[in-house]
Amino acid sequence: QQQVKQSPQSLIVQKGGISIINCAYENTAFDYFPWYQQFPGKGPALLIAIRPDVSEKKEGRFTISFNKSAKQFSLHIMDSQPGDSATYFCAAFYSGGYQKVTFGTGTKLQVIP
Amino acid sequence: EAQVTQNPRYLITVTGKKLTVTCSQNMNHEYMSWYRQDPGLGLRQIYYSMNVEVTDKGDVPEGYKVSRKEKRNFPLILESPSPNQTSLYFCASSPGQGGGYTFGSGTRLTVV
Repeated sequence: QQQVKQSPQSLIVQKGGISIINCAYENTAFDYFPWYQQFPGKGPALLIAIRPDVSEKKEGRFTISFNKSAKQFSLHIMDSQPGDSATYFCAAFYSGGYQKVTFGTGTKLQVIP
Repeated sequence: EAQVTQNPRYLITVTGKKLTVTCSQNMNHEYMSWYRQDPGLGLRQIYYSMNVEVTDKGDVPEGYKVSRKEKRNFPLILESPSPNQTSLYFCASSPGQGGGYTFGSGTRLTVV
């Protein structure tokens, strides 16, 4: 059973455009929602994260929007650049106890000039 | 430099030959975890550990073993590898309390 559903699977955006990736979760015990960025040949790197007590978090061109009632969260990349081309994973943590985490299946983003 | 180090980066082995992938972190993190990454399936947690001698199964533990005898090390053991364990493996560590995981660079394993 997939507890975190991520969409779309792939995304092509023009340079300067907005990239939007969505995730939905099922388990209301999750209490920490990070996004990871992965370049080919590298491990995933933490990009930005949010807790469910806030509805939005912004860091530079990257914004997480969180809708607790709908159990959904999304990543917005403003002014997308070719260097943003990577695979993005959302994740949901249960931080109590054993740091159980579930990842989405990933979105391959391509930003074209 | 704060990092998670995995070795080897690439490994080709034959079915049934025991192997160990090492993982070490220098950040004094409490939590460590192993993941496998397969196309279309994302990252799936194999095992995780919240401290020395404390480990638990993730979502896909079958065919794998782990141990945490020291805080910094968390090796992944495949006692009898099979071709369906061909995958890209990542080790990661976290300080806990909701801190995100720091990932290693990965180990690409091929079992023939």
